[in-house]
Formats: sequence, C-alpha cells, structure tokens
Amino acid sequence: DTGVSQDPRHKITKRGQNVTFRCDPISEHNRLYWYRQTLGQGPEFLTYFQNEAQLEKSRLLSDRFSAERPKGSFSTLEIQRTEQGDSAMYLCASSTAGYGYTFGSGTRLTVV
Amino acid sequence: AQSVTQLDSQVPVFEEAPVELRCNYSSSVSVYLFWYVQYPNQGLQLLLKYLSGSTLVKGINGFEAEFNKSQTSFHLRKPSVHISDTAEYFCAVSHSMDSNYQLIWGAGTKLIIKP
Repeated sequence: DTGVSQDPRHKITKRGQNVTFRCDPISEHNRLYWYRQTLGQGPEFLTYFQNEAQLEKSRLLSDRFSAERPKGSFSTLEIQRTEQGDSAMYLCASSTAGYGYTFGSGTRLTVV
Repeated sequence: AQSVTQLDSQVPVFEEAPVELRCNYSSSVSVYLFWYVQYPNQGLQLLLKYLSGSTLVKGINGFEAEFNKSQTSFHLRKPSVHISDTAEYFCAVSHSMDSNYQLIWGAGTKLIIKP
C-alpha cells in the first residue's frame, strides 16, 4: 500500500491556460474525493466518486472544472481557462466506508 | 445545517507542556468526528476518529480526544507536546446518515511550539 499519490506536487501556470491533475488512490478504496484548500482555511469539498460514478459535485465546481475517474481507479481533475482565484492546494482523498479518509500530499496550483 | 467551529486560530505552547485544541460542532443528528493534522506543504493525516462507543478516543502521536454530546464538543488533547507537533490541526464532522460521508471541516488551529 503506497498511499494516495498526487501528481504534480506543484504547478505554476499562466492565467487562461488549462491544467490537469492526477490522483491515484489506494487500490482497494472505491471512494475518491477532491477537495480544495486555500491558505488559512480548511478543505472545501469539490466532488466525490464511488467507483467510476461521480455522485456529487459542489456548487464550487464551476463549468471550468471537470473530474473523471474512467475505470474506477485513478482520477483526473481539469481546470480550463485558469483564473488567479483558482490558486490553491488541490487535495485528493480515498476511502472505503468513508470512516476517515486517506489524503494525498496535494497539488499546489499557482496561477500567475 | 452542520458546521464545525475551531475556536482558536493559533495556540502557542511551550515544549513539554500540555495542550488542548477546541472543536465544537452543530448537528441535529448523530455524527462521526475526526481530527486531522497537516504538516507544512503536506496533505492531511488522520489523527483519530470517534464513530461510537467510548467517548475517550486515543490516536497517533500521543493525542486523544473526548466526545461530549451535551456540549457538542470534541476537544483534542496531548499531555506533553514536542517540537515535532508543530502543525495545523483540523476538526471535521460527518453526518452519520449521509451516504457519501462528506466531511464538514473547521478552519483549523495552528499549534505553535515554543522551545
């Protein structure tokens, strides 16, 4: 068990560019979550997958954000036409019954 | 609606002294309660959780927390802190009837250990 892996760890992009992040959950975990965390705040829920099905999306997830989990294993989060307000740490977590997540180390996005 | 309040944004404490980080929640139904720790530039790590049973929960790194239903609190304690405990601590709540177990988070408390 190698834990939850996120790639890349850091991403700097110019405003207006598209970015994609990847999350590899713990292999036996069927639930996968994306959260966003800005400085000095707790994580904010973005979206949730059970296997390959995206079961819930936060209203924070605008049309510029899309997430996929094509085979119920790894997941990607894409942000199109990035804005400075998208700068944050994007956290992925996985779980089985949901009684406490295992988080990855996060991807820190800086939009310049 | 559920909410989580961490009353202190920062808690400075001397090394080897005891510490308590406070967490209060609001919910009209049963909850599951969690404490996570986040070291600088890292993801969050589960410290401990309350699901049911004994109200005193022991976690990793010598931390423990007590669930108090009447006061809707879940305060985190450690009898003697070390410099390595410097981190941000987050309290979170899950609605027990919620099928996706989405967590509601507090804003975090930074634990600052003074030598």
